[in-house]
Amino acid sequence: GQQLNQSPQSMFIQEGEDVSMNCTSSSIFNTWLWYKQDPGEGPVLLIALYKAGELTSNGRLTAQFGITRKDSFLNISASIPSDVGIYFCAGHPIAGEYGNKLVFGAGTILRVKS
Amino acid sequence: DTAVSQTPKYLVTQMGNDKSIKCEQNLGHDTMYWYKQDSKKFLKIMFSYNNKELIINETVPNRFSPKSPDKAHLNLHINSLELGDSAVYFCATGSGSPYEQYFGPGTRLTVT
Repeated sequence: GQQLNQSPQSMFIQEGEDVSMNCTSSSIFNTWLWYKQDPGEGPVLLIALYKAGELTSNGRLTAQFGITRKDSFLNISASIPSDVGIYFCAGHPIAGEYGNKLVFGAGTILRVKS
Repeated sequence: DTAVSQTPKYLVTQMGNDKSIKCEQNLGHDTMYWYKQDSKKFLKIMFSYNNKELIINETVPNRFSPKSPDKAHLNLHINSLELGDSAVYFCATGSGSPYEQYFGPGTRLTVT
C-alpha cells in the first residue's frame, strides 16, 4: 500500500534551535497535513496544505507543499520545551481508490534540551 | 466543549473478554474513523463510516465490529480480546473534502 517516508525518525535539539522535518511519497498528493501528538493525547492538526508550492505558517511553525506534489516540509523556528512530541505528516493521494483515507508517516519524535 | 470525545480513556481487561469503546463528535462531520496506534506510534486506519455507512474496512480481524448509531457516534466493539489488541485506539472525524481529520484523545487498551 501507499507509504510516506518521514524523516528524521527522531531529533534531539537545543532549545532555541530551528527544526526541519520532511515527508516524501512515491505518488502525487493533493493534500498534505501536519499533526503533533503530545504524550497521552491524540494528534492535533497543525497545518493543512492544498496547493503545490503553498507555504503556510502557524506561529513558529511553517509548512510547505512541495512543487512536485510528492513531498512536504515542516519547520519549527526557535524551539521551546513544549515543542516536544511526535510530529506526523499525512496526505491524501490523488489516486481515486483512497476515498477519504489519509496516509500517515511514521512520525518524527522531537526532544528538546532546555 | 470537546470536539471529539472517547470513553473510556483507559481500559484494562483480560484475554477473552468483550469490550467497547465509544466515540462522540460535535463537529457535524459526516465521516468518522477508527485508528489503531501501536507501540511504535504508527497510526493505522481500521474503519471509516460516512453518514452511518461503512466506507473503509481495512484488514482487521472480524472480532472488531464498528457501529454507528447516528452521525455523531461511532463505537468500536471488540470480541474475544487478545494480547496483540493492546494499543491506543483513536477516533477521528472529517468532513470529507478537504481531507482534514480531527482526532479524539485516544483509549489505551491493555489486555492481560
